[in-house]
Amino acid sequence: DGGITQSPKYLFRKEGQNVTLSCEQNLNHDAMYWYRQDPGQGLRLIYYSQIVNDFQKGDIAEGYSVSREKKESFPLTVTSAQKNPTAFYLCASSPGVRGTEAFFGQGTRLTVV
Amino acid sequence: AQSVTQPDIHITVSEGASLELRCNYSYGATPYLFWYVQSPGQGLQLLLKYFSGDTLVQGIKGFEAEFKRSQSSFNLRKPSVHWSDAAEYFCAGLTTDSWGKLQFGAGTQVVVTP
Repeated sequence: DGGITQSPKYLFRKEGQNVTLSCEQNLNHDAMYWYRQDPGQGLRLIYYSQIVNDFQKGDIAEGYSVSREKKESFPLTVTSAQKNPTAFYLCASSPGVRGTEAFFGQGTRLTVV
Repeated sequence: AQSVTQPDIHITVSEGASLELRCNYSYGATPYLFWYVQSPGQGLQLLLKYFSGDTLVQGIKGFEAEFKRSQSSFNLRKPSVHWSDAAEYFCAGLTTDSWGKLQFGAGTQVVVTP
């Protein structure tokens, strides 16, 4: 089945540690995105990538980093510089054609302990 | 600034009753508009989308939405809700120059009572 796979579903991190969230898609989509979801705030864009080896900052990129070495993979690293990392993280992809909808993974819940 | 607003944070509806969720947008030009649904702890599923043409859009699970340019609205409706419709609903917008960067409203939590 085509889709977007995020792993792990739950992740715990100690303060001061970096952690990487995985996102893989087999939809052959050009564009991929990372969103952060907090209660009552909707989804906020962290980073996005329109093509392999290229990515841009979204609205809340501080404390996060990404890479796009393969078309199907777009991992997100939450660094120790992110002051409030506890949240639900959603990865999405789209074909890249203007106006098409995004398809979402099942999310990763990150908790700082 | 470009934005999507969902005025209702929380709605409670009886099973079998009709449901309407409000969405207002603020864009210079007609945006592409979407409604997504999210069950607890899950990702988002697309219910329907509006690009152009007919202002009444049919989606999955019996939902429909109507685009009203004069009111800058894109409200979601369902004639008769089922208990399984309890979820959080997000309206999202996309402009022709924003290339896939959806802007989301804050979401509306729908509770369905027996």
